[in-house]
Amino acid sequence: SQQGEEDPQALSIQEGENATMNCSYKTSINNLQWYRQNSGRGLVHLILIRSNEREKHSGRLRVTLDTSKKSSSLLITASRAADTASYFCATARTNTDKLIFGTGTRLQVFP
Amino acid sequence: NAGVTQTPKFQVLKTGQSMTLQCAQDMNHEYMSWYRQDPGMGLRLIHYSVGAGITDQGEVPNGYNVSRSTTEDFPLRLLSAAPSQTSVYFCASSGWGADIKSGYTFGSGTRLTVV
Repeated sequence: SQQGEEDPQALSIQEGENATMNCSYKTSINNLQWYRQNSGRGLVHLILIRSNEREKHSGRLRVTLDTSKKSSSLLITASRAADTASYFCATARTNTDKLIFGTGTRLQVFP
Repeated sequence: NAGVTQTPKFQVLKTGQSMTLQCAQDMNHEYMSWYRQDPGMGLRLIHYSVGAGITDQGEVPNGYNVSRSTTEDFPLRLLSAAPSQTSVYFCASSGWGADIKSGYTFGSGTRLTVV
């Protein structure tokens, strides 16, 4: 079974608005990663947050991690049409070498 | 350009045929993995390797074999193709360990259709 579940499954917003995606997972982790996938393309790594970190920023991206609730969120501020893509969280489980992906959130940003 | 190279990009197989999907990386990454992506299912881990000579099963290993004879290459073999193996296959690589700083680098994928 898949480790991460993203919420919502789909999200539509206007340019300039913020987009928030959530990820829940089931087991203890070493780190959690977020990826973007444009339609028909490979995945691109966005940001990695370790289990002992609570928040991380990269440009317009802000990721939070709550290990007590086994959840993470990805915030994209001031969205652009170019942010239209699917976003996936992936968890590196403790004591394993596996990186397991969730089912993703499809983000549509309208000009 | 450095990265992960997958070949072929597209392939059509008949049921029962076998084939090998190639994956090569030139970043000296220890960790390599294969995923399949089906609509609405996200990515599911097939097999992975933490170094030359070491492989292990992921979430959906049945019907696939892997080997890792070199650091650079990690081929995925379909033993007897079935329509259920119609999917997009992605290879990925990464440095690994407790000091990991960045995520995986993905190839551009192989779109496989089994008829």
